[in-house]
Amino acid sequence: DTGVSQDPRHKITKRGQNVTFRCDPISEHNRLYWYRQTLGQGPEFLTYFQNEAQLEKSRLLSDRFSAERPKGSFSTLEIQRTEQGDSAMYLCASSSRASRPDEQYFGPGTRLTVT
Amino acid sequence: GEDVEQSLFLSVREGDSSVINCTYTDSSSTYLYWYKQEPGAGLQLLTYIFSNMDMKQDQRLTVLLNKKDKHLSLRIADTQTGDSAIYFCAEKEAGNQFYFGTGTSLTVIP
Repeated sequence: DTGVSQDPRHKITKRGQNVTFRCDPISEHNRLYWYRQTLGQGPEFLTYFQNEAQLEKSRLLSDRFSAERPKGSFSTLEIQRTEQGDSAMYLCASSSRASRPDEQYFGPGTRLTVT
Repeated sequence: GEDVEQSLFLSVREGDSSVINCTYTDSSSTYLYWYKQEPGAGLQLLTYIFSNMDMKQDQRLTVLLNKKDKHLSLRIADTQTGDSAIYFCAEKEAGNQFYFGTGTSLTVIP
């Protein structure tokens, strides 16, 4: 297994367009997290899945953001009607429920630029 | 649990010890973590400490936790140029939300 992968690595879009990112976690990991990271800041928690269930969402998460993990494996994060403030690196991480202390493995991220 | 603070920059000479500090606000945190992020790379877990511990040592890394003051530190002994990176502390609350600090950029001078 090569770790957590994310696609695309870079995305440039015009304001108002919709974008979708994909995350493929480590195969035996049942926990999956999405984060957003802007320049000079640490990752900001967006949402958490255990298997296919979305168990937690940040209250800061706009209604324009939606995430799915339909079969408990890969996950998608969609941003509708993108705004320039959405420009950031979107990180995905996965972990195993059996892992203590919930060691997260991060993907390389998808860098979004909204023009 | 959303206010995790770190100083932004630290510069040390190769071979010296580095100490990176972090303060957090949530007393219900179960675990506290240190991550390393190198340029163009994803975050990598370096070490962690359970909230009922005061200290943890892992090779060149020493983590100190002061729960009363909500202060966490990471000491890197014999700092090498390969240690140059951004270091993030993070806390996990009782649920599954993780809160990361702003990151400390460590520069090691040869």
